[in-house]
Amino acid sequence: KNEVEQSPQNLTAQEGEFITINCSYSVGISALHWLQQHPGGGIVSLFMLSSGKKKHGRLIATINIQEKHSSLHITASHPRDSAVYICAARPPNTGNQFYFGTGTSLTVIP
Amino acid sequence: KAGVTQTPRYLIKTRGQQVTLSCSPISGHRSVSWYQQTPGQGLQFLFEYFSETQRNKGNFPGRFSGRQFSNSRSEMNVSTLELGDSALYLCASSPYRGSVNGYTFGSGTRLTVV
Repeated sequence: KNEVEQSPQNLTAQEGEFITINCSYSVGISALHWLQQHPGGGIVSLFMLSSGKKKHGRLIATINIQEKHSSLHITASHPRDSAVYICAARPPNTGNQFYFGTGTSLTVIP
Repeated sequence: KAGVTQTPRYLIKTRGQQVTLSCSPISGHRSVSWYQQTPGQGLQFLFEYFSETQRNKGNFPGRFSGRQFSNSRSEMNVSTLELGDSALYLCASSPYRGSVNGYTFGSGTRLTVV
């Protein structure tokens, strides 16, 4: 069983739609990381959070520590948001050792 | 500000050979982590270096090793290459272990073993 589960695996949305990607984890964590990977492989760190909510532009990440669940929301989606979104859980006292989800492939259609 | 630099970008090696990959972190970042990404297994943690010492290692065989230099640059080495080692190898740097901010990935080295 994976320590980190994401849903959905694949997601297709129309431009402008509100998108939610979910991440559940089974380990105790010190932080939860959301990553974005575009075709070609480059990975960008979107958020690292340990509680509450963070917002950057049209992206919002929330985490519920008690329920071991995090969500990534994209408001007013755009075709340039098309990418794979990966969540990663960092257990306490492990430095930068992460357990990764398998990713959600998002396609936003104009 | 320069990002995380990985070299080479692409590499083709033959089974049984060994390979060395390089990662130069963002200036001032002292923690460097390495990850392997394959279609079958996804992203997996390889190891983390901080202050020239390996701090953590993932579940990989001893053929995978690494080191970090005094300027925080890191190398990873894979000996006796197997076909299954074909993957995208990514490194990431952060100011210190457990950083919440500033975590930055390099563009990766795509290794193909034939």
